[in-house]
Amino acid sequence: GAGVSQSPRYKVAKRGQDVALRCDPISGHVSLFWYQQALGQGPEFLTYFQNEAQLDKSGLPSDRFFAERPEGSVSTLKIQRTQQEDSAVYLCASSLRDRREQYFGPGTRLTVT
Amino acid sequence: GDSVTQMEGPVTLSEEAFLTINCTYTATGYPSLFWYVQYPGEGLQLLLKATKADDKGSNKGFEATYRKETTSFHLEKGSVQVSDSAVYFCALREGGSYIPTFGRGTSLIVHP
Repeated sequence: GAGVSQSPRYKVAKRGQDVALRCDPISGHVSLFWYQQALGQGPEFLTYFQNEAQLDKSGLPSDRFFAERPEGSVSTLKIQRTQQEDSAVYLCASSLRDRREQYFGPGTRLTVT
Repeated sequence: GDSVTQMEGPVTLSEEAFLTINCTYTATGYPSLFWYVQYPGEGLQLLLKATKADDKGSNKGFEATYRKETTSFHLEKGSVQVSDSAVYFCALREGGSYIPTFGRGTSLIVHP
């Protein structure tokens, strides 16, 4: 079946622009996670949803980062007033429940110039 | 806090060579351990896992054994193929958590 998909795959933004990154999880997966992967690093947790509820946003680096999942399926990660340090690959993962295996999307590579 | 340390890459091998990628961890509790693989242009895929001491995870010819005494989970494969070229991530997850902690990744390049 279809895996996790993310769009766009690549995004170039000028410093100060707002961006929106989309994640389509596997159908029926309750849990959804966002990670940030800087160049040469492993993924770092940003936020977690169970259905439409955002249960954990402890990893969001600043209040410029905002995530939503209004109907409990598709999720959007929004970054306002992008900064160069926001350049990274943003990964989305979904799982049947919170401690089950996570299935990752291919990521969105964000470059802020 | 929890952390995972992997050997620096890239690791460059010839086809059919033996592979070891070292991974050690620090954890406050009793974590589950994982290896993920990321092929170019794709997302991370779970390769194998182990949930308790002395467990051996295995998949696609790769193996790793959970060594509590040395806090290690080294990845091994007896004979690598060109198609194994990818980045490999070691990770841990504490029993009560849904958030994995990842290492920095080790790039593997296999030449024909």
